[in-house]
Amino acid sequence: AQKITQTQPGMFVQEKEAVTLDCTYDTSDPSYGLFWYKQPSSGEMIFLIYQGSYDQQNATEGRYSLNFQKARKSANLVISASQLGDSAMYFCAMREAHGSSNTGKLIFGQGTTLQVKP
Amino acid sequence: DSGVTQTPKHLITATGQRVTLRCSPRSGDLSVYWYQQSLDQGLQFLIQYYNGEERAKGNILERFSAQQFPDLHSELNLSSLELGDSALYFCASSVGSGAGAARVTDTQYFGPGTRLTVL
Repeated sequence: AQKITQTQPGMFVQEKEAVTLDCTYDTSDPSYGLFWYKQPSSGEMIFLIYQGSYDQQNATEGRYSLNFQKARKSANLVISASQLGDSAMYFCAMREAHGSSNTGKLIFGQGTTLQVKP
Repeated sequence: DSGVTQTPKHLITATGQRVTLRCSPRSGDLSVYWYQQSLDQGLQFLIQYYNGEERAKGNILERFSAQQFPDLHSELNLSSLELGDSALYFCASSVGSGAGAARVTDTQYFGPGTRLTVL
C-alpha cells in the first residue's frame, strides 16, 4: 500500500544554513509523483516542488531542491540558505499513476516542523 | 496566493448543526479536491470532483456530501456535526481529471482552508 513516512517531527536550523527534511515512501507503482508542501502557522498549504519517478534529474525550485534516491525510495527536501520565513511545517506527499484505489488523491506524511533560528 | 479561494476562513458551530464550506478553484482548473486535516488523522482525502462530476471518494463520512457546480465552484456540506469533526478543511484544485498516468504530474494547489470548530 502507498505510504509516506517523515521521521523527523521537529527540526532546528540556523538562519542562512542548509537543512534536509527526510521523506521515504512506499509504492509498487513504477509511475508516481512526489510533492512537497509548506504549511506556515497561518495554515495555508503552499506547493513547493515536484519530482516525477521517471525524472532523470533532481528537481530544483529556487532555494528548494529534492534529493531523489529512487532505489532507496527517498525524496528528501533540501532548503538552502534558510530564512526566518522558512519556519513552518513541511509535508511530503505522493500520487500514484495506477494506484489501487484509482484516485488522484495525494497521500501525505505526518509532516516535519522546521524552526529557523536567527 | 495559490488562486484557490475558500470561504469562510473560520466557522464555529454546535454539535448537531449543518454547515457549508465553499471553494472556488484556480482559473482553468477543472478538478476540485477536498481534504480534512486533524491532529490525530493528519491530512486525509475526502472527495474529488472533475468538471461537475464526482470522480473519486476517500474517507468521507456519510454525514458529509459535496458537489461541484457548472461554474466549477464546489461546496462541502457537513451535517449532524460532532466534536470530532473539528478540523481544518482544505480545497485543492488542479487542471487534470486525476485519471491515468497524467495524474502524476497534475499538481494540486490548495486554498487557505476553513477552520471548523464544533462546540
